[in-house]
Amino acid sequence: DIQMTQSPSSLSASVGDRVTITCRASQTINIHLNWYQQKPGKAPKLLIYVASSLQGGVPPRFSGSGSGTDFTLTISSLQPEDFATYYCQQSYTTPYTFGQGTMLEIK
Amino acid sequence: EVQLLESGGGLAQPGGSLRLSCAASGFTFSSFAMTWIRQAPGKGLEWVSAISGGGGSTYYADSVKGRFTISRDNSNNTLYLQLNSLRAEDTALYYCAKDGSVVGATLYWGQGTLVTVSS
Repeated sequence: DIQMTQSPSSLSASVGDRVTITCRASQTINIHLNWYQQKPGKAPKLLIYVASSLQGGVPPRFSGSGSGTDFTLTISSLQPEDFATYYCQQSYTTPYTFGQGTMLEIK
Repeated sequence: EVQLLESGGGLAQPGGSLRLSCAASGFTFSSFAMTWIRQAPGKGLEWVSAISGGGGSTYYADSVKGRFTISRDNSNNTLYLQLNSLRAEDTALYYCAKDGSVVGATLYWGQGTLVTVSS
């Protein structure tokens, strides 16, 4: 199975900050990488698919990049509603494994 | 509007069984693969199983292979997950899910059904 490793596991930041979360795959996954946001008590929400495509309705302050094994999710200017847990997921081959999550907290 | 409604969760003993159901609406069910994803309390997301639109192809995480069985009834727009030989580590909220326009990118999620395995 492909292992997905996110860093950091948690992050404290302030409104207006630029934040980057990284995700590394244990083998190449081309661009088959998705990012999700999850808030407490809610189902995850798809933010980015195929590494850099923004899901409809997601604010453009979210962006994704990368290919092969290394990927990043960037939030250009944090808003109060962005404090949540973020997960990457590879969809290159089943099982479509997730990273362990990055909890983004208010500083 | 896509709607996914899970049911069937509850308390089971170690070694026991449960069957989860997911009633789907708002799309042509038989045309789309479906997925189960779970989340243990306070933990991250774990992809569990998927099935092709026709039901002929199934996929499982190693952690559930041989114990869980995914199936679907396209005439009733319902997805199932049979959970056998349950373990404490299977305790989780189980989400029924559907991809968006890209295979593997899960756009639609149910509200989840909670499975608790405990004696």
